[in-house]
Amino acid sequence: SSELTQDPAVSVALGQTVRITCQGDSLRSCYASWYQQKPGQAPVLVIYGKNNRPSGIPDRFSGSSSGNTASLTITGAQGEDEADYYCKSRDRSGNHLVFGGGSKLTVL
Amino acid sequence: EVQLVESGGGLVQPGGSLRLSCAASGFTFSSYWMSWVRQAPGKGLEWVAYIKQDGSEKYYVDSVKGRFTISRDNAKNSLYLQMNSLRAEDTAVYYCARVGWWELLYVAFDIWGQGTMVTVSS
Repeated sequence: SSELTQDPAVSVALGQTVRITCQGDSLRSCYASWYQQKPGQAPVLVIYGKNNRPSGIPDRFSGSSSGNTASLTITGAQGEDEADYYCKSRDRSGNHLVFGGGSKLTVL
Repeated sequence: EVQLVESGGGLVQPGGSLRLSCAASGFTFSSYWMSWVRQAPGKGLEWVAYIKQDGSEKYYVDSVKGRFTISRDNAKNSLYLQMNSLRAEDTAVYYCARVGWWELLYVAFDIWGQGTMVTVSS
């Protein structure tokens, strides 16, 4: 089982705000990075570090962290945001990495 | 253009071996940690292994330790994954990824290849 726990399914109305969470003990000492994956495509990095977006990622994507929980927030969700989202962090050993189980986002 | 292109996937019998390659272009390959990530059909992402810029450090997920070997050839801008003693549960799309940020508090993969499918079946 994954050391990072995500809700399997999340939904949001078009234009509304949604928060996707990721829980795990390692998140008390490490930041999560977040990846978006659409069907048949490779993952894309959307948030890394405290709250950094790679170039080309819209500013409606943001990240935050509190205690053992990391969150990815999409403010004003668009239809093209419908995808699977994965968090990733170092594991408790520090040298290995672990992905969350993924959250399937549906934009209604 | 920054690009990673995997190759070497295919159908292999249980207990068999396969070597995956990842050709990098558009950036200074030798300056980055590199990683392999896999995704079983209909399942989530799983980190497999990563390797330091000069190959001096390598780390593996427990399920492949002793069976898989990650390596790189900086002169050829290439990353490899030698997979031995393959099992049905190794069936997945294997992605090559660049570690864009290697920090104490986080590790982020900023560039991904398109993936290569490995099927382990008799």
